[in-house]
Amino acid sequence: KAGVTQTPRYLIKTRGQQVTLSCSPISGHRSVSWYQQTPGQGLQFLFEYFSETQRNKGNFPGRFSGRQFSNSRSEMNVSTLELGDSALYLCASSPPGTSGRIYEQYFGPGTRLTVT
Amino acid sequence: AQSVTQLGSHVSVSEGALVLLRCNYSSSVPPYLFWYVQYPNQGLQLLLKYTSAATLVKGINGFEAEFKKSETSFHLTKPSAHMRDAAEYFCAVSDQAGTALIFGKGTTLSVSS
Repeated sequence: KAGVTQTPRYLIKTRGQQVTLSCSPISGHRSVSWYQQTPGQGLQFLFEYFSETQRNKGNFPGRFSGRQFSNSRSEMNVSTLELGDSALYLCASSPPGTSGRIYEQYFGPGTRLTVT
Repeated sequence: AQSVTQLGSHVSVSEGALVLLRCNYSSSVPPYLFWYVQYPNQGLQLLLKYTSAATLVKGINGFEAEFKKSETSFHLTKPSAHMRDAAEYFCAVSDQAGTALIFGKGTTLSVSS
């Protein structure tokens, strides 16, 4: 079974621009989560989608948004980029769990975003 | 609120020595706990998970972890380190809603020959 794929793998943008990152989950997985990884803040949860609905959101400004499509693929968008948005953005997918609770997540290789 | 503390940002061992990476958690609900490994320029790979079944959990690559509720700990161990184990290791706990992971700051494991 193919793993979680993320595109693009690397991206360079300028302050003020916007960016869209894409994630394709493992086949059969309906939950997709996004995380930001930086040297200073570590791994931080952005949001989680299940069946096209956002179920959970982390503590990030409204510039960060996401969506999920009917085929479970997900995109995240960052508008008005700031230098501090430079990070590795990781997507993870999860198989169905009991009571809708995630009991394991499988991560993609990430998208390295550099904002100049 | 849920949180994870990893003791020691850097651990160094010799090849063949015991690996012990420490993780303590705080959770207001019965926790799900996880260990992930990250190699340079890669995503996270799930090593093992605790989801309220057996307290001693065996994972991939010879790693295991023991859930100790009384100590709120979930330390990761491996009897004999190998050079290929050198990487960054993250402990995580599921949040109260059960739909997100809260990660520790990570521990970098170095293995010398």
